[in-house]
Amino acid sequence: DVKVTQSSRYLVKRTGEKVFLECVQDMDHENMFWYRQDPGLGLRLIYFSYDVKMKEKGDIPEGYSVSREKKERFSLILESASTNQTSMYLCASRPPGSGYGYTFGSGTRLTVV
Amino acid sequence: KNQVEQSPQSLIILEGKNCTLQCNYTVSPFSNLRWYKQDTGRGPVSLTIMTFSENTKSNGRYTATLDADTKQSSLHITASQLSDSASYICVVSAGFVGNEKLTFGTGTRLTIIP
Repeated sequence: DVKVTQSSRYLVKRTGEKVFLECVQDMDHENMFWYRQDPGLGLRLIYFSYDVKMKEKGDIPEGYSVSREKKERFSLILESASTNQTSMYLCASRPPGSGYGYTFGSGTRLTVV
Repeated sequence: KNQVEQSPQSLIILEGKNCTLQCNYTVSPFSNLRWYKQDTGRGPVSLTIMTFSENTKSNGRYTATLDADTKQSSLHITASQLSDSASYICVVSAGFVGNEKLTFGTGTRLTIIP
């Protein structure tokens, strides 16, 4: 059974802290994504990666960066956490090409105080 | 601007009853449409995926329809169970192979009561 694992289910961080959200997939997928999910807004794409060392900005990249040093791992970094980054963060992966669904992780609920 | 609108925002039905959730989209060029189920505190899980040429697809008690002319999709749940309580998200993919962009609806929150 394919799996996308996010290292933390819940996180509480202070304003200004540097925050790392980790995501690991065991399906050898090239494509990985980070989304945030807020009530009434749906999922919004932060960053994605089509391969190791590659990264592309999504719709809302401000305040975030990513790292993909290995194929199976895609990390989201909040350089200096702010209260408006309190959200549910979802990692996803999929094979290349069309017609494939995304496999999502269970999410990390981040609260910035 | 690509948009996906879902209705209703929330729905409460009795266990055993049927229900239908709606999804209207304005996305171009259309590639495919997916329905996801998201349990509280969990990530979304794919239920169905439909391409332009498909107008019905079933997955157990879930049946999705697609009308590409009117740009509408529906998800019909038959004989609902308590475990169907979740948010259901419609996701439309636009673009071409290697350059797809997803647009997410805000979901329908379904509650099944005994």
